[in-house]
Amino acid sequence: AIQLTQSPSSLSASVGDRVTITCRASQGISSALAWYQQKPGIAPKLLIHDASTLESGVPSRFSGSGSGTDFTLTISSLQPEDFSTYYCQQFTTYPPTFGQGTKLEI
Amino acid sequence: EVKVVESGGGLVQPGGSLRLSCAASGFTISGYWMNWVRQAPEKGLEWVANIYSGGSQKNYVDFVKGRFTISGDNAKDSLYLEMNSLRAEDTAVYYCARSLGYCSGGGCSNWFDSWGQGTLVTVSS
Repeated sequence: AIQLTQSPSSLSASVGDRVTITCRASQGISSALAWYQQKPGIAPKLLIHDASTLESGVPSRFSGSGSGTDFTLTISSLQPEDFSTYYCQQFTTYPPTFGQGTKLEI
Repeated sequence: EVKVVESGGGLVQPGGSLRLSCAASGFTISGYWMNWVRQAPEKGLEWVANIYSGGSQKNYVDFVKGRFTISGDNAKDSLYLEMNSLRAEDTAVYYCARSLGYCSGGGCSNWFDSWGQGTLVTVSS
Protein backbone atom coordinates (compact mmCIF):
# COMPACT_ATOMS: atom_id res chain seq x y z
CA ALA A 1 0.00 0.00 0.00
CA ILE A 2 1.13 3.55 -0.71
CA GLN A 3 1.94 5.36 2.53
CA LEU A 4 1.31 9.07 2.95
CA THR A 5 3.27 10.97 5.57
CA GLN A 6 2.09 14.42 6.59
CA SER A 7 4.16 17.04 8.32
CA PRO A 8 3.85 18.55 10.73
CA SER A 9 1.44 16.43 12.80
CA SER A 10 0.29 19.54 14.59
CA LEU A 11 0.73 23.22 13.99
CA SER A 12 -0.04 26.33 16.01
CA ALA A 13 -0.84 29.49 14.10
CA SER A 14 -2.78 32.72 14.31
CA VAL A 15 -5.57 34.30 12.31
CA GLY A 16 -4.08 35.91 9.22
CA ASP A 17 -1.04 33.61 9.09
CA ARG A 18 0.04 31.76 5.96
CA VAL A 19 0.48 28.04 6.66
CA THR A 20 1.74 25.12 4.64
CA ILE A 21 1.16 21.41 5.26
CA THR A 22 3.25 18.81 3.47
CA CYS A 23 2.29 15.31 2.32
CA ARG A 24 4.89 12.85 1.07
CA ALA A 25 3.95 9.63 -0.75
CA SER A 26 6.00 6.45 -0.46
CA GLN A 27 5.97 6.12 -4.25
CA GLY A 28 5.06 8.39 -7.14
CA ILE A 29 1.37 9.10 -7.61
CA SER A 30 1.53 11.69 -10.37
CA SER A 31 -0.98 14.39 -9.32
CA ALA A 32 -3.54 11.99 -7.84
CA LEU A 33 -3.75 13.57 -4.40
CA ALA A 34 -6.70 15.04 -2.52
CA TRP A 35 -6.94 17.16 0.62
CA TYR A 36 -9.73 17.15 3.21
CA GLN A 37 -10.65 19.30 6.18
CA GLN A 38 -12.27 17.71 9.23
CA LYS A 39 -13.73 19.36 12.30
CA PRO A 40 -14.45 17.38 15.49
CA GLY A 41 -17.52 15.16 15.22
CA ILE A 42 -18.11 16.06 11.58
CA ALA A 43 -17.39 14.17 8.36
CA PRO A 44 -14.38 15.20 6.28
CA LYS A 45 -14.92 17.84 3.63
CA LEU A 46 -13.17 17.69 0.26
CA LEU A 47 -11.02 20.76 -0.39
CA ILE A 48 -8.77 19.87 -3.31
CA HIS A 49 -8.37 17.00 -5.77
CA ASP A 50 -5.78 16.24 -8.42
CA ALA A 51 -3.24 18.02 -6.23
CA SER A 52 -4.36 21.54 -7.15
CA THR A 53 -8.00 21.57 -8.30
CA LEU A 54 -10.13 23.47 -5.82
CA GLU A 55 -13.49 21.89 -5.07
CA SER A 56 -16.49 24.08 -5.84
CA GLY A 57 -17.36 26.37 -2.96
CA VAL A 58 -13.98 26.12 -1.25
CA PRO A 59 -12.45 29.55 -0.52
CA SER A 60 -9.59 30.63 -2.76
CA ARG A 61 -7.27 31.06 0.23
CA PHE A 62 -6.79 27.28 0.00
CA SER A 63 -4.38 26.03 -2.63
CA GLY A 64 -2.51 22.83 -3.39
CA SER A 65 0.56 21.96 -5.37
CA GLY A 66 2.94 19.13 -6.10
CA SER A 67 3.32 15.99 -8.14
CA GLY A 68 5.12 12.69 -7.90
CA THR A 69 5.84 12.17 -4.20
CA ASP A 70 5.77 15.66 -2.64
CA PHE A 71 2.66 17.77 -2.16
CA THR A 72 1.64 20.85 -0.20
CA LEU A 73 -1.58 22.42 1.03
CA THR A 74 -1.34 26.15 1.65
CA ILE A 75 -3.79 28.42 3.42
CA SER A 76 -2.85 31.96 2.46
CA SER A 77 -4.53 33.84 5.33
CA LEU A 78 -5.95 31.76 8.16
CA GLN A 79 -9.52 32.43 9.18
CA PRO A 80 -11.07 31.32 12.51
CA GLU A 81 -13.06 28.57 10.77
CA ASP A 82 -9.87 27.02 9.31
CA PHE A 83 -8.69 25.62 12.62
CA SER A 84 -9.30 21.93 11.94
CA THR A 85 -7.51 18.71 11.09
CA TYR A 86 -6.34 18.24 7.51
CA TYR A 87 -5.78 14.94 5.70
CA CYS A 88 -4.18 14.09 2.39
CA GLN A 89 -5.39 11.05 0.46
CA GLN A 90 -4.33 9.01 -2.56
CA PHE A 91 -6.57 6.77 -4.59
CA THR A 92 -4.53 5.97 -7.64
CA THR A 93 -4.09 2.36 -6.59
CA TYR A 94 -5.83 0.10 -4.12
CA PRO A 95 -6.12 0.43 -1.25
CA PRO A 96 -6.87 4.14 -1.02
CA THR A 97 -4.84 5.61 1.82
CA PHE A 98 -4.83 8.74 3.94
CA GLY A 99 -2.11 10.64 5.70
CA GLN A 100 -2.15 10.59 9.48
CA GLY A 101 -3.54 14.11 9.69
CA THR A 102 -2.30 17.56 10.63
CA LYS A 103 -4.08 19.34 13.46
CA LEU A 104 -4.08 23.11 13.00
CA GLU A 105 -4.58 24.91 16.28
CA ILE A 106 -4.79 28.48 17.39
CA GLU B 1 -28.60 18.11 -3.38
CA VAL B 2 -26.27 15.12 -3.13
CA LYS B 3 -26.69 13.46 0.25
CA VAL B 4 -25.81 10.17 1.92
CA VAL B 5 -27.12 9.08 5.31
CA GLU B 6 -25.75 6.14 7.29
CA SER B 7 -27.58 4.05 9.87
CA GLY B 8 -27.26 0.78 11.72
CA GLY B 9 -24.38 1.42 14.10
CA GLY B 10 -24.45 0.38 17.72
CA LEU B 11 -22.86 -1.67 20.46
CA VAL B 12 -21.94 -5.26 19.63
CA GLN B 13 -19.94 -7.91 21.45
CA PRO B 14 -16.65 -9.21 20.08
CA GLY B 15 -17.36 -11.91 17.52
CA GLY B 16 -20.77 -10.44 16.77
CA SER B 17 -22.29 -9.05 13.60
CA LEU B 18 -23.79 -5.78 12.45
CA ARG B 19 -25.23 -4.45 9.22
CA LEU B 20 -24.73 -0.81 8.24
CA SER B 21 -26.89 0.96 5.69
CA CYS B 22 -26.36 4.08 3.61
CA ALA B 23 -29.20 5.82 1.81
CA ALA B 24 -28.29 8.07 -1.09
CA SER B 25 -30.37 10.95 -2.44
CA GLY B 26 -29.83 13.56 -5.12
CA PHE B 27 -28.07 11.02 -7.36
CA THR B 28 -28.32 7.38 -8.37
CA ILE B 29 -25.64 5.09 -6.98
CA SER B 30 -25.59 2.92 -10.08
CA GLY B 31 -23.22 5.28 -11.86
CA TYR B 32 -20.73 5.74 -9.04
CA TRP B 33 -18.24 3.95 -6.84
CA MET B 34 -19.59 3.95 -3.30
CA ASN B 35 -17.27 3.50 -0.34
CA TRP B 36 -17.09 2.82 3.37
CA VAL B 37 -14.39 4.72 5.24
CA ARG B 38 -13.91 4.41 8.98
CA GLN B 39 -12.31 6.44 11.75
CA ALA B 40 -11.40 4.95 15.11
CA PRO B 41 -11.77 7.25 18.12
CA GLU B 42 -9.14 10.00 18.02
CA LYS B 43 -7.51 8.33 15.01
CA GLY B 44 -7.19 8.98 11.28
CA LEU B 45 -9.24 7.91 8.29
CA GLU B 46 -9.11 4.36 6.94
CA TRP B 47 -10.75 3.11 3.75
CA VAL B 48 -12.64 -0.15 4.18
CA ALA B 49 -14.36 -1.19 0.96
CA ASN B 50 -16.08 -0.02 -2.19
CA ILE B 51 -18.55 -1.20 -4.79
CA TYR B 52 -19.60 -0.17 -8.26
CA SER B 53 -22.96 -0.35 -9.95
CA GLY B 54 -24.80 -2.45 -7.43
CA GLY B 55 -22.14 -5.11 -7.12
CA SER B 56 -20.51 -5.66 -10.45
CA GLN B 57 -17.16 -4.75 -8.87
CA LYS B 58 -16.07 -4.81 -5.23
CA ASN B 59 -12.83 -4.12 -3.37
CA TYR B 60 -11.80 -4.56 0.27
CA VAL B 61 -8.88 -3.58 2.45
CA ASP B 62 -6.96 -6.65 3.58
CA PHE B 63 -7.88 -6.53 7.25
CA VAL B 64 -11.63 -6.92 6.58
CA LYS B 65 -11.48 -9.48 3.78
CA GLY B 66 -13.50 -12.54 4.72
CA ARG B 67 -15.27 -10.69 7.55
CA PHE B 68 -17.03 -7.73 5.88
CA THR B 69 -19.27 -7.80 2.80
CA ILE B 70 -20.26 -4.70 0.86
CA SER B 71 -23.41 -4.70 -1.25
CA GLY B 72 -25.70 -2.27 -2.98
CA ASP B 73 -29.31 -2.00 -4.09
CA ASN B 74 -29.59 0.23 -7.14
CA ALA B 75 -33.38 0.24 -6.97
CA LYS B 76 -33.26 1.71 -3.47
CA ASP B 77 -30.11 3.80 -4.01
CA SER B 78 -28.73 2.15 -0.92
CA LEU B 79 -25.38 0.76 0.17
CA TYR B 80 -24.75 -1.82 2.87
CA LEU B 81 -21.87 -3.19 4.90
CA GLU B 82 -22.35 -6.55 6.56
CA MET B 83 -19.77 -6.93 9.32
CA ASN B 84 -19.09 -10.31 10.91
CA SER B 85 -16.55 -11.59 13.45
CA LEU B 86 -16.21 -8.09 14.81
CA ARG B 87 -13.18 -7.21 16.90
CA ALA B 88 -12.48 -4.42 19.35
CA GLU B 89 -10.25 -2.78 16.75
CA ASP B 90 -13.24 -2.42 14.43
CA THR B 91 -14.65 0.18 16.81
CA ALA B 92 -15.00 3.34 14.75
CA VAL B 93 -17.30 5.82 13.10
CA TYR B 94 -18.16 4.36 9.70
CA TYR B 95 -18.72 6.83 6.89
CA CYS B 96 -20.41 6.21 3.57
CA ALA B 97 -18.76 8.23 0.81
CA ARG B 98 -19.17 8.63 -2.91
CA SER B 99 -16.02 8.71 -4.98
CA LEU B 100 -15.37 10.43 -8.27
CA GLY B 101 -12.42 10.03 -10.55
CA TYR B 102 -10.96 9.08 -13.87
CA CYS B 103 -8.18 7.14 -15.53
CA SER B 104 -5.91 8.53 -18.20
CA GLY B 105 -2.56 7.72 -19.72
CA GLY B 106 -0.88 8.99 -16.56
CA GLY B 107 -2.82 6.68 -14.29
CA CYS B 108 -5.98 6.94 -12.23
CA SER B 109 -7.13 9.63 -9.81
CA ASN B 110 -10.08 9.28 -7.44
CA TRP B 111 -11.37 11.25 -4.49
CA PHE B 112 -14.29 11.23 -2.03
CA ASP B 113 -16.61 14.12 -2.78
CA SER B 114 -19.68 13.44 -0.63
CA TRP B 115 -19.73 11.99 2.86
CA GLY B 116 -22.46 11.05 5.29
CA GLN B 117 -22.51 12.07 8.93
CA GLY B 118 -21.21 8.66 10.02
CA THR B 119 -22.54 5.90 12.26
CA LEU B 120 -20.68 4.70 15.35
CA VAL B 121 -19.86 1.02 15.78
CA THR B 122 -18.62 0.00 19.20
CA VAL B 123 -17.29 -3.53 19.69
CA SER B 124 -17.06 -4.29 23.39
CA SER B 125 -18.15 -6.86 25.93
